[in-house]
Amino acid sequence: DSGVTQTPKHLITATGQRVTLRCSPRSGDLSVYWYQQSLDQGLQFLIQYYNGEERAKGNILERFSAQQFPDLHSELNLSSLELGDSALYFCASSGTSLGVTEAFFGQGTRLTVV
Amino acid sequence: KNEVEQSPQNLTAQEGEFITINCSYSVGISALHWLQQHPGGGIVSLFMLSSGKKKHGRLIATINIQEKHSSLHITASHPRDSAVYICAAAPYSGGGADGLTFGKGTHLIIQP
Repeated sequence: DSGVTQTPKHLITATGQRVTLRCSPRSGDLSVYWYQQSLDQGLQFLIQYYNGEERAKGNILERFSAQQFPDLHSELNLSSLELGDSALYFCASSGTSLGVTEAFFGQGTRLTVV
Repeated sequence: KNEVEQSPQNLTAQEGEFITINCSYSVGISALHWLQQHPGGGIVSLFMLSSGKKKHGRLIATINIQEKHSSLHITASHPRDSAVYICAAAPYSGGGADGLTFGKGTHLIIQP
């Protein structure tokens, strides 16, 4: 058990809908990272938050947004969903943003858009 | 071209064999991660390396910073080692950390 909790584990929704994925980082970790894993693109970095503030952005679509709350949990919001958004979405946490520390991954949320 | 290249993409071996998975990267990095992903989908961090060699049980990871190359070795392989192994580069950002850049993964099957 990595200590990172993601909910829900599975999500099925229709095109055009909006969903929210939730991540609770390991106790004490200030950095949260979101990643998308699709069959054709593999794992890709989406966005990082550190102690409530956006720190780095990767290949995140404008239809997607994220935030990190004062209790350090994070939510990834996906809107106007398309079939191609079907993927595994992972959250990872680490202790600091000022240098690389070991990343701990959640079990992922499998999103299916139908 | 992906900044992180892994080989082989697929590997099938017999139980007990010595396994090597290679990873080459073209970017400057502060660390290199090896991850394991089982069919259920969850990702487990195996190693984080910035130099030299690390060992955990039957798993050994090495990195050569000058050659921008890392290897993951599995000794006395077992069917439970069957998984996708992914190498990921942590960029040298010099400040706030960026996310990882991933290889495409190596799908390993160990047959009994």
